[in-house]
Amino acid sequence: GDSVTQMEGPVTLSEEAFLTINCTYTATGYPSLFWYVQYPGEGLQLLLKATKADDKGSNKGFEATYRKETTSFHLEKGSVQVSDSAVYFCALSDGNSGNTPLVFGKGTRLSVIA
Amino acid sequence: DTAVSQTPKYLVTQMGNDKSIKCEQNLGHDTMYWYKQDSKKFLKIMFSYNNKELIINETVPNRFSPKSPDKAHLNLHINSLELGDSAVYFCASSQMGRGNTIYFGEGSWLTVV
Repeated sequence: GDSVTQMEGPVTLSEEAFLTINCTYTATGYPSLFWYVQYPGEGLQLLLKATKADDKGSNKGFEATYRKETTSFHLEKGSVQVSDSAVYFCALSDGNSGNTPLVFGKGTRLSVIA
Repeated sequence: DTAVSQTPKYLVTQMGNDKSIKCEQNLGHDTMYWYKQDSKKFLKIMFSYNNKELIINETVPNRFSPKSPDKAHLNLHINSLELGDSAVYFCASSQMGRGNTIYFGEGSWLTVV
């Protein structure tokens, strides 16, 4: 079945450091890929997404590029802030029907210290 | 206006009780979901409804019963609660279509004591 593997956390960075959170996937079809973020005590918010190979999703300084050849969707940010501290989830939605539910990775907790 | 709203946000209850969590979306979406997030933050799909019809029913104890009275509502009823049911339950919705975003509610924190 479909699966998502993302780097285990926690990840602790100093403010203004460069962030990479690795994400790779296994899918039977041609999935759409997503990054969601969960701030402490809150629900999940879409951070960015990409629906086809070589697409780059971006939002709030975060970027991720859909790499079909390496089945990856790594999340990057050039300069993290304390307010970026959260749990980040990579996810995929497979199939063309559009109502296939998301399959999530296990989440990566990011802590940014001043 | 909150797009996907669920109530209650916090629920503490005793083992053996029956409880319900309600969910409503005002986005006009045709598909709704229930996800469970365990203590290690792992998220897993429980149920999915499209136009009030159950389309996904993962391996979930039959003590959990979803009900969708209309496209905008998907409630979750849990019978005979057990300690292991303690988790955060997220309702979500989306519109059918490849790559469409799934929007999540703020979660319902269930604690069984």
